[in-house]
Amino acid sequence: NAGVTQTPKFRVLKTGQSMTLLCAQDMNHEYMYWYRQDPGMGLRLIHYSVGEGTTAKGEVPDGYNVSRLKKQNFLLGLESAAPSQTSVYFCASSPPQDQETQYFGPGTRLLVL
Amino acid sequence: RKEVEQDPGPFNVPEGATVAFNCTYSNSASQSFFWYRQDCRKEPKLLMSVYSSGNEDGRFTAQLNRASQYISLLIRDSKLSDSATYLCAVNDNSGYSTLTFGKGTMLLVSP
Repeated sequence: NAGVTQTPKFRVLKTGQSMTLLCAQDMNHEYMYWYRQDPGMGLRLIHYSVGEGTTAKGEVPDGYNVSRLKKQNFLLGLESAAPSQTSVYFCASSPPQDQETQYFGPGTRLLVL
Repeated sequence: RKEVEQDPGPFNVPEGATVAFNCTYSNSASQSFFWYRQDCRKEPKLLMSVYSSGNEDGRFTAQLNRASQYISLLIRDSKLSDSATYLCAVNDNSGYSTLTFGKGTMLLVSP
């Protein structure tokens, strides 16, 4: 199993550009999460999904949209990137029998200029 | 926002030392607690869950103190490879299992 994978690993955007971050998991997990991690702020939940076709807002959802069209994929979109969205983005998933044990992907480093 | 607080450190200890970290949480309804380890520029990885009765895994011991609302992590016989940032995580006890993470405590183990 590849576990949780994230694409791309690194990206530079200009202010106002859009992009989509892809998270994929091959563990048949129901729950998936998107976090951002900033120095001095720790991990903060952006959006999460409890199953295919469902999404919910986390602590810091503004400026982001998500979709879970397939169980194995969770997409995070930035419609109009801002410098404040420069961060490291982590995706995570958790199995149905142990929903609170989260497995993280390797992260996407995003720089918005 | 439900708060989870940690001393950011760094904790500088020599190899072989015993070191302990605490993590306080504000949500008295929280039921599940975890310690994650994060190496520099890597993703967090689950280190251990924290049960009401405590939990021990080799050199690592985690404890829960509900009355004072904190969890602790004790590392005995520290190794160089233990150098990392340790994140505590607490569930928010909502309908869905979302976790609130602390900002982490950095541990540096020196020869």
